[in-house]
Amino acid sequence: NAGVTQTPKFQVLKTGQSMTLQCAQDMNHEYMSWYRQDPGMGLRLIHYSVGAGITDQGEVPNGYNVSRSTTEDFPLRLLSAAPSQTSVYFCASREQGAGANVLTFGAGSRLTVL
Amino acid sequence: DQQVKQNSPSLSVQEGRISILNCDYTNSMFDYFLWYKKYPAEGPTFLISISSIKDKNEDGRFTVFLNKSAKHLSLHIVPSQPGDSAVYFCAALQGGSEKLVFGKGMKLTVNP
Repeated sequence: NAGVTQTPKFQVLKTGQSMTLQCAQDMNHEYMSWYRQDPGMGLRLIHYSVGAGITDQGEVPNGYNVSRSTTEDFPLRLLSAAPSQTSVYFCASREQGAGANVLTFGAGSRLTVL
Repeated sequence: DQQVKQNSPSLSVQEGRISILNCDYTNSMFDYFLWYKKYPAEGPTFLISISSIKDKNEDGRFTVFLNKSAKHLSLHIVPSQPGDSAVYFCAALQGGSEKLVFGKGMKLTVNP
């Protein structure tokens, strides 16, 4: 059981480039989400999804796009990277429904935008 | 405006002593609280949680206390071990919301 798998682990981009951070889970979790972690800022929610075909914005959605075509995958797209998007990104998932509050996180993807 | 606050960025304790990590929140609608632990280069892992209908929850060496009137919760680790050295995040959830809100985290160092 792999849990939540994120790729790549490390990425360096130039300003204006685009890329996609991949996230896959094999726990059949309906809920998936993306967080970014910055020094002194904790974990901030970017986007989340409560099921295939359903996505919604979190606290810091600007500059990021998401889609949820399958239960397993929840990619995060940066269409035009900016230095402010240098961060560590975490994908997380959990079961959906009452009492299902514990997120399982991936190992993270460290992104540097030059 | 931060809804979940961990005002102390770090804490250092001796092995075998108690570690007390504090967390304050401003949103009175939060009804579920969680603590996550994070080691370097890894994702956060769930540690312990508490519902607002309780004021205490224990799991082995870890106990979380909730004071709803003060909008304050704390995590007690007794006895502390060097392997507990990590960053600890407090998080809160409002019933019906899908958005888990995290604090900034606190770095705990347990010295042998």
